[in-house]
Amino acid sequence: DQQVKQNSPSLSVQEGRISILNCDYTNSMFDYFLWYKKYPAEGPTFLISISSIKDKNEDGRFTVFLNKSAKHLSLHIVPSQPGDSAVYFCAASAGTGGFKTIFGAGTRLFVKA
Amino acid sequence: NAGVTQTPKFRILKIGQSMTLQCTQDMNHNYMYWYRQDPGMGLKLIYYSVGAGITDKGEVPNGYNVSRSTTEDFPLRLELAAPSQTSVYFCASSYPTGLAGYEQYFGPGTRLTVT
Repeated sequence: DQQVKQNSPSLSVQEGRISILNCDYTNSMFDYFLWYKKYPAEGPTFLISISSIKDKNEDGRFTVFLNKSAKHLSLHIVPSQPGDSAVYFCAASAGTGGFKTIFGAGTRLFVKA
Repeated sequence: NAGVTQTPKFRILKIGQSMTLQCTQDMNHNYMYWYRQDPGMGLKLIYYSVGAGITDKGEVPNGYNVSRSTTEDFPLRLELAAPSQTSVYFCASSYPTGLAGYEQYFGPGTRLTVT
């Protein structure tokens, strides 16, 4: 039973264009959502997050949108750069502590120069 | 700050052998975690700790043990290794800051193969 789903295993985008990575969740108790980025042979690194009381959070080229009624969030990268090529994990957390964080399977993003 | 460090980077075990994966963080984080990542899957929580002396099971704890004697260290012990434990293991730490979120800081991972 996957509580956090990333249905696209991979995504290919041209440099300079927008990348949109999607994530769906099933547990309405999730109150915090995060995106992590992972390069090969490295651990995931935190990218951006959003609380369930918001519907948008922006940090430079990265914006996360949250649609609670649809239980859907998305990560927008504009403009996409070749260095953005990585695996992106969506994660959701319920309650304090963060130890209930559930990760999606990841989407591999390829940004072509 | 070195952040979260893990040793070893790679290891091959024979079925039935035991080993300890080491994890150390220098950020004075209370919370520490062990995850495993299988191909095409997300990270699955094995064990976590909310402070020295306190540990609890995550989603997939069978076949593993942990201890937390200090804030800095959180070793993961594999007893009687099985092929199903072939995976990449990540250690992470965090300091929950309420509305600021619970982002975790990950180590570089240990790639373990059991044959």
